[in-house]
Amino acid sequence: IQLTQSPSFLSASVGDRVTITCRASQGISRSLAWYQQKPGKAPNLLVDAASTLQSGFPSRFSGSGSGTEFTLTISSLQPEDFATYYCQQLNSDPITFGQGTRLEIK
Amino acid sequence: QVQLVESGGGMVQPGRSLRLSCAASGFTFSSYDMHWVRQAPGKGLEGVAYVRFDGGKTYHADSVKGRFTISRDNSKNTLYLQMNSLRPEDTAMYYCARERARWSFDHWGQGTLVSVSS
Repeated sequence: IQLTQSPSFLSASVGDRVTITCRASQGISRSLAWYQQKPGKAPNLLVDAASTLQSGFPSRFSGSGSGTEFTLTISSLQPEDFATYYCQQLNSDPITFGQGTRLEIK
Repeated sequence: QVQLVESGGGMVQPGRSLRLSCAASGFTFSSYDMHWVRQAPGKGLEGVAYVRFDGGKTYHADSVKGRFTISRDNSKNTLYLQMNSLRPEDTAMYYCARERARWSFDHWGQGTLVSVSS
């Protein structure tokens, strides 16, 4: 299953609301996770089951969707949110990742 | 707390071999499926290999099939990746990750860097 993230690059300002989309080439129910990765660090699980926010992440992050279209929304960007975000599907083998969305400060 | 610590990376010439290890602690290792994921410099994440909790099922990406072998020793709480016939395109940070029941990779190691160059 192929995952296509859009956009691949996003330039935004502190306080902005941003949305990242992940589209699957076939239906994956809600078997989608989102990861945040900062430079030089391992990915960190942010959301699983499409919308379950992991402990340690603030409520300005939210995930939604099912089937083939999913979104990750950050309601009000903070400086620490600038990172690369990846979606991942675990519905079918092989487990696959999107190509990533790099979020940078404008 | 859950810890995954990779080791075994390094600089190697094309065609040579390396064995990566991932030492697990803080959880019942034998109850979890495990994965190796790699990330080439400046690139995205690529799933490399998977092993079921009991070692009875494995999967290898097409890019490494026939060259890499994933395995585990539940008595030692350790995951392995045997990498043979290494190529320059295998240069990457290699992470081990714990799978949480088809929902996510909920814990990752810090990674070990493999560099393949003549």
